[in-house]
Amino acid sequence: DAGVTQSPTHLIKTRGQHVTLRCSPISGHKSVSWYQQVLGQGPQFIFQYYEKEERGRGNFPDRFSARQFPNYSSELNVNALLLGDSALYLCASSDPWGGRGEKLFFGSGTQLSVL
Amino acid sequence: QQQVKQSPQSLIVQKGGISIINCAYENTAFDYFPWYQQFPGKGPALLIAIRPDVSEKKEGRFTISFNKSAKQFSLHIMDSQPGDSATYFCAASKGDDKIIFGKGTRLHILP
Repeated sequence: DAGVTQSPTHLIKTRGQHVTLRCSPISGHKSVSWYQQVLGQGPQFIFQYYEKEERGRGNFPDRFSARQFPNYSSELNVNALLLGDSALYLCASSDPWGGRGEKLFFGSGTQLSVL
Repeated sequence: QQQVKQSPQSLIVQKGGISIINCAYENTAFDYFPWYQQFPGKGPALLIAIRPDVSEKKEGRFTISFNKSAKQFSLHIMDSQPGDSATYFCAASKGDDKIIFGKGTRLHILP
């Protein structure tokens, strides 16, 4: 079975632009989460979606948004890019919601560089 | 406010030695404590995890020790191998997908 897949793997944008990152979860996983990992730091939670509904949001500005589709894939959108948005964006999926969904499976991420 | 504090920032261990990474947390509502391993160019991968009702958990060469009263937990890697060279993150959660990660420890095992 394929793991969590993310696209694109690398992306270069300029300040003020918009970016869309995509994620396909492991087959059967209904929960998708997004994390931002700045170089040299641990991942930081951005969003969680389950059954197309937002279940959690981290401390990120409204420029960040996401959605989940009927096939459980997900998009992360970032508007008005800032230099500080340069980071590795990780998508993770977890087992069907059975009360506890802590076991996350991460993709390899999208490396976003904002110039 | 850093909810999960990890040390050391970097660690060098001889092959065959014991690697020890420490973490401390603040929020007593956390009830799930995983450790993730990350290689360059890859996403983090779950290594081992523990819940606070257990003081120790061992899986192969990897052991978590947990001290609930001190709000501390640690990862021990026995018989460390060059292939263990990676960045390790301790983390904590309240049982959902919102995982709070430490800043990471870069481990290098000398051959």
